[in-house]
Amino acid sequence: NAGVTQTPKFQVLKTGQSMTLQCAQDMNHNSMYWYRQDPGMGLRLIYYSASEGTTDKGEVPNGYNVSRLNKREFSLRLESAAPSQTSVYFCASSSTGVYGYTFGSGTRLTVV
Amino acid sequence: KNEVEQSPQNLTAQEGEFITINCSYSVGISALHWLQQHPGGGIVSLFMLSSGKKKHGRLIATINIQEKHSSLHITASHPRDSAVYICAPGMAAGNKLTFGGGTRVLVKP
Repeated sequence: NAGVTQTPKFQVLKTGQSMTLQCAQDMNHNSMYWYRQDPGMGLRLIYYSASEGTTDKGEVPNGYNVSRLNKREFSLRLESAAPSQTSVYFCASSSTGVYGYTFGSGTRLTVV
Repeated sequence: KNEVEQSPQNLTAQEGEFITINCSYSVGISALHWLQQHPGGGIVSLFMLSSGKKKHGRLIATINIQEKHSSLHITASHPRDSAVYICAPGMAAGNKLTFGGGTRVLVKP
């Protein structure tokens, strides 16, 4: 099925552990994004990649790193997880310019 | 500062009623997205608007770029319309979205 695939769907980490959230899209979109969603805060942009080989910080990049491995894949890494990073993470993609978005199904991350 | 304001925050309707959700934004945009999120679920893009009006089934979205305002209407509402609806203006550069806080809609049978 065409779309955006995120893994894992659920994850529990201990404070200080690291992990990578994977995202892949098969729609040949140029732009990819990582958002986090927190109760009372709505969705906020962590990092984005306007095209293969480029990445830029969003509104809340601290504590995260990203890699645009190729046109299809955009990963988000937490080097040393903190309880403040407990959230639901969404990957999304879009074509260049003013086009619609497609979101992944989300990763629910809990840091204890 | 809130760049995107949605109203109401919560809405309860009886099945069959007409529902309107409003969105005002203060940033310059190239297009505005309306998103739907069911409880515990993923996010689905309903509309992307840069001008005028779009209709899809029982859903209608309108935008007034000059007034920086958009509305989402649900006609003949149904319990399966119960979800959170999110307004998200998009910037041309990078097509990054800014999100409203969402409107939680409950349609009772």
